[in-house]
Amino acid sequence: DAGVIQSPRHEVTEMGQEVTLRCKPISGHDYLFWYRQTMMRGLELLIYFNNNVPIDDSGMPEDRFSAKMPNASFSTLKIQPSEPRDSAVYFCASSLSRGGGSNEQFFGPGTRLTVL
Amino acid sequence: SQKIEQNSEALNIQEGKTATLTCNYTNYSPAYLQWYRQDPGRGPVFLLLIRENEKEKRKERLKVTFDTTLKQSLFHITASQPADSATYLCALDRTNAGKSTFGDGTTLTVKP
Repeated sequence: DAGVIQSPRHEVTEMGQEVTLRCKPISGHDYLFWYRQTMMRGLELLIYFNNNVPIDDSGMPEDRFSAKMPNASFSTLKIQPSEPRDSAVYFCASSLSRGGGSNEQFFGPGTRLTVL
Repeated sequence: SQKIEQNSEALNIQEGKTATLTCNYTNYSPAYLQWYRQDPGRGPVFLLLIRENEKEKRKERLKVTFDTTLKQSLFHITASQPADSATYLCALDRTNAGKSTFGDGTTLTVKP
């Protein structure tokens, strides 16, 4: 398996523009997570899905952020309009729930977003 | 409020020594605790998971302890090597799968 795939790897945009980040989880995984990482705030969970359904979006900073998972193999995180403070590395991760409990998450390579 | 604290300073050690990283938490009752490694420019990579009813777990040169009374986990790397240099993150989970809360990480540098 290729692992979690994210695109683009780097995105530079101007304030006010719409940004869409994409993620393809590992096939068969039923959990998908979106994180944001900055030096100041560390790794923050934004939202996660189970079987394509959003379970907890309490980490989404504000209404400018939205996430969708139309099917088991694709998810998007959209920021509209973008602001300079959204500059960060955004990670997507997936995991497989098991009866015995194993929360190992597999992270993608991340998208480095710069908003000018 | 919930709080997870890892070594506040970066950790520098000599090759061959044992590195010990700490993860302390407050106002939290995790069912699981995980350790991840993150290299610059990459996503975190899972290393070990320990459950609340386990005291210790080992994997090759890695050892993790979990003390729910002290609310602390220790992560040891024995016979450290320069290749072990990275940032190590602890993550706490309340339930079986579902969301994890990550600490800020400790940056370990192993000098030859």
